[in-house]
Amino acid sequence: GENVEQHPSTLSVQEGDSAVIKCTYSDSASNYFPWYKQELGKGPQLIIDIRSNVGEKKDQRIAVTLNKTAKHFSLHITETQPEDSAVYFCAASKNSGAGSYQLTFGKGTKLSVIP
Amino acid sequence: DTGVSQDPRHKITKRGQNVTFRCDPISEHNRLYWYRQTLGQGPEFLTYFQNEAQLEKSRLLSDRFSAERPKGSFSTLEIQRTEQGDSAMYLCASNTQYTEAFFGQGTRLTVV
Repeated sequence: GENVEQHPSTLSVQEGDSAVIKCTYSDSASNYFPWYKQELGKGPQLIIDIRSNVGEKKDQRIAVTLNKTAKHFSLHITETQPEDSAVYFCAASKNSGAGSYQLTFGKGTKLSVIP
Repeated sequence: DTGVSQDPRHKITKRGQNVTFRCDPISEHNRLYWYRQTLGQGPEFLTYFQNEAQLEKSRLLSDRFSAERPKGSFSTLEIQRTEQGDSAMYLCASNTQYTEAFFGQGTRLTVV
């Protein structure tokens, strides 16, 4: 089955700096890669996703890059703010049918943004 | 409709007891997923429904775990003869084939 590795497990940055979280996956058939933000006591919330036919996607301060050959993808947050502090998870799935979300998650990165 | 609703939010049970959790998906979402999340880990996929049909259940952790979605709307997850290792957050998510999956806030189970 799929295996997703995520690094680092913790990350502290100064407010305004950039943060980068990296993930690798094992199954070359995986074609959908979402990123989730989870705040304490809440469920994961999708912040950005990318499909295997795209190399990069950006949404305001958040961007994701995908390297299919190397089987890794990364989350980039620029101009970090204290409210970005949370646990971030990467995930991967083989989208066997449109909208199928049988996801394999990484272990998470706890991001702390220091004011 | 404000999102995926899970009930209860917290459950404490004694080892050996049965527990049942409920998930109400976003209305009109025909796909529903159950995940388990242990402390310090990412969510782990358990099972998946499309309408009332359970299309994937091989990832349920043992035969003590079962899930139903009898009318294609709400779903229940039951754990029989609970063990301390079952202590975790149980998350439900829903979507349609055209939308992202939205997660509920989860049910935190503590087995004592």
